Amino acid sequence: ETGVTQSPTHLIKTRGQQVTLRCSSQSGHNTVSWYQQALGQGPQFIFQYYREEENGRGNFPPRFSGLQFPNYSSELNVNALELDDSALYLCASSPRRADTQYFGPGTRLTVL
Amino acid sequence: AQTVTQSQPEMSVQEAETVTLSCTYDTSESDYYLFWYKQPPSRQMILVIRQEAYKQQNATENRFSVNFQKAAKSFSLKISDSQLGDAAMYFCAYRSADNNNDMRFGAGTRLTVKP
Repeated sequence: ETGVTQSPTHLIKTRGQQVTLRCSSQSGHNTVSWYQQALGQGPQFIFQYYREEENGRGNFPPRFSGLQFPNYSSELNVNALELDDSALYLCASSPRRADTQYFGPGTRLTVL
Repeated sequence: AQTVTQSQPEMSVQEAETVTLSCTYDTSESDYYLFWYKQPPSRQMILVIRQEAYKQQNATENRFSVNFQKAAKSFSLKISDSQLGDAAMYFCAYRSADNNNDMRFGAGTRLTVKP
């Protein structure tokens, strides 16, 4: 069984640019959640997708947006990048909305 | 809003010894879930153990066990027979049973295992 995968592993962007991060959920999982983990902190919830619809959102501005595809993979898009967006972005999938979340290895985003 | 507090930024344990990591949380809800995740230098968050609030029995997974005190809103993790591979950041997390998408994490405890 393949676990949660994320791409790319690392990414460097400049302020004002746009970025797309990708996540493939674990086989059989229909729910994907995205988290931002700043250096030295715990992850913070960005949003969740369930069956291609947004199913809850944390305290992040609209320039953070997402998609979920019919195969339940997901994208996180961030527009107008700011220096504070530099962080590890984690994707987690779960078999159902109300179930334990399993994490991918993360994408390290650096904004210069 | 629910908050999770881990008061120990760093902990150290001798190999083969036992260590306990602390976690407290604040909530007005009666039904929720609590988790401990491990994050080694590879960055991937790995589920260690899960506890349902409605269960009085403490969860156990091999060398890992929890002490869940619902009234005190405390959820500590005990690691027995510590191994070098246990060295990592440990995060305590809370998830409401009603709002089942938003998982709240503590700031983490860095565990060092000395040979």
